[in-house]
Amino acid sequence: EAQVTQNPRYLITVTGKKLTVTCSQNMNHEYMSWYRQDPGLGLRQIYYSMNVEVTDKGDVPEGYKVSRKEKRNFPLILESPSPNQTSLYFCASCVGGVNSPLHFGNGTRLTVT
Amino acid sequence: KQEVTQIPAALSVPEGENLVLNCSFTDSAIYNLQWFRQDPGKGLTSLLLIQSSQREQTSGRLNASLDKSSGRSTLYIAASQPGDSATYLCAVSGNRDDKIIFGKGTRLHILP
Repeated sequence: EAQVTQNPRYLITVTGKKLTVTCSQNMNHEYMSWYRQDPGLGLRQIYYSMNVEVTDKGDVPEGYKVSRKEKRNFPLILESPSPNQTSLYFCASCVGGVNSPLHFGNGTRLTVT
Repeated sequence: KQEVTQIPAALSVPEGENLVLNCSFTDSAIYNLQWFRQDPGKGLTSLLLIQSSQREQTSGRLNASLDKSSGRSTLYIAASQPGDSATYLCAVSGNRDDKIIFGKGTRLHILP
């Protein structure tokens, strides 16, 4: 089944403890992206990647890192999480750049205390 | 900077009615515009994608239009059903920087 898989679905952590949210797609998509969704602010793009070893900042990249060492994986890294990073995170992917439908994962709900 | 606006933020209509959701964007330099559906606690599902050279796309009871020059898109839902209740989001892909920018969505409730 074609899908974007995020793990974990739920995560509670403490301020400053490094964490990684994984994202994997099995559709051979070139484009992958991370979003956060907050009430009243909607979906905001954190980072995106056009292909392996190519990453770019979205609108809210501060406090996050990403890597794209393999085509199928695009992990989101929070080196020192803070409470303002409490949010619902989505990974998405699509074929060949951005002129194709985005496929989303089911989301990761992160709480930083 | 691209900005995407969706009005209204919420909408309730009786079952069976036809309805229109609106999306506007400030920068017409786009690759495409997409409409998504999001159910509570779930990810987004792509409904329709309109490329910048197209005027509309149809899928079943859904029809999306695009007027790039005026920065507007509409999603038309025919013969609404309770199962259509969800949040609908539009997103534009810019051809200047490959970013995909979302509107805040319209929360739709179809009354049985």
